[in-house]
Amino acid sequence: DIVMTQSPDSLAVSLGERATINCKSSQSVLHSSNNKNYLAWYQQKPGQPPKLLIYWASTREFGVPDRFSGSGSATDFTLTITSLQAEDVAVYYCQQYYSSPPTFGQGTKLEIK
Amino acid sequence: QVRLQESGPGLVKPSETLSLTCTVSGGSISTYYWTWIRQPPGKGLEWIGYIYYTGSTYYNRSLESRVTMSVDPSKNQFSLKLSSVTAADTAVYYCARGRREYGSGNNWFDTWGQGNLVTVSS
Repeated sequence: DIVMTQSPDSLAVSLGERATINCKSSQSVLHSSNNKNYLAWYQQKPGQPPKLLIYWASTREFGVPDRFSGSGSATDFTLTITSLQAEDVAVYYCQQYYSSPPTFGQGTKLEIK
Repeated sequence: QVRLQESGPGLVKPSETLSLTCTVSGGSISTYYWTWIRQPPGKGLEWIGYIYYTGSTYYNRSLESRVTMSVDPSKNQFSLKLSSVTAADTAVYYCARGRREYGSGNNWFDTWGQGNLVTVSS
């Protein structure tokens, strides 16, 4: 199984500032046949299910604010939230879907400083 | 807008079988990969497996011997059975819609149910 490791485990950022969450996979999730990175990001608020933010490493899901962006390739990925809002407090997960089983990172808890 | 809703008991005894159903509303169960994912309290997410509307299934190897999934397109429902449960199976169980493109890899998950907490205890 591909192991997904996120850093940091928790993060405190001031309102209006930038938050950066990293995700590293134990093997490349870049598919050579289509040059796509099989990587998604989710946001989970307390008591709620995860919500899809980004897939193909950088494609924002419909309705997701443009302050959320994804970048990276192969084994190293980043979720960036520019201008942090109070409603962005949540746990964020990365997920690879390059191979089965799909696996998730351990989560990064984002709080307001 | 597609919505998913899990239903089933919240308490299951050790060694018994956990059974959950997910009802899909606002869209057809045809196409997509209908998935179960679980989350132990305070922990991360574990993919259990998926069923396609045709009935074909794919399970996590770690749970494969205990998992059975089924689908009823006439009711827009799909179901999960997990046998011989122990306390380690205590978790919130989510149903989710899986998407994929290019015919390769597995799925990302664009729609989730609210979750059903299942506690395994005597």
